[in-house]
Amino acid sequence: DIQMTQSPSAMSASVGDRVTITCRASQGIRNDLAWFQQKPGKVPKRLIDGASSLESGVPSRFSGSGSGTEFTLTISSLQPEDFATYYCLQYNSYPRTFGQGTKVEIK
Amino acid sequence: EGQLVESGGGLVQPGGSLRLSCVGSGITFSDHYMDWVRQAPGKGLEWVGRSRKKVDNYITEYAASVKGRFTISRDDSKSSLYLQMNSLNTDDTAVYYCAYAAFDLWGQGTMVTVSS
Repeated sequence: DIQMTQSPSAMSASVGDRVTITCRASQGIRNDLAWFQQKPGKVPKRLIDGASSLESGVPSRFSGSGSGTEFTLTISSLQPEDFATYYCLQYNSYPRTFGQGTKVEIK
Repeated sequence: EGQLVESGGGLVQPGGSLRLSCVGSGITFSDHYMDWVRQAPGKGLEWVGRSRKKVDNYITEYAASVKGRFTISRDDSKSSLYLQMNSLNTDDTAVYYCAYAAFDLWGQGTMVTVSS
């Protein structure tokens, strides 16, 4: 199975900060990676697919990059509505595996 | 706009069984793979399994943690996905979500609690 390791597991940031979350795969997954945002009590929402393709309606301050084993999700200027938990998901092989999540909290 | 609605969750004793349902509306259900994902209280997301579509013979895939105990099926005529869960244990306590088209659309989830 492919293990997905996210870092950090939690972080505190201020509005306007640039935030970077990393996801590392235990083996190469090409660009078969998605990023999700989940707010407390809410359903996960896909932000990015194919490692870097922004979903329709997702603000352009979100971006994704990477290929192979290392991927990043960047929020260029953190907004109040971005405080949430973020997950990566690899869909290169079965079983699908999520990262453990990164909780972005208000500093 | 598409919607998925799960049902069937509840309280069940260890060793018991439960069948979850997920009904889609406003989507081309039969054209897409469907997944189940769960989230234990206060924990992260865990993929449970997938049903492929008819052209791919409805082949299913499962996480190791549920393989042999859980069975995914679907009825495209009813735009419905099912999760039959047997031999439940406390580690299966979670909100169960169904997801459509490679996680493009998610249901609101249904809570399953396994406890004596």
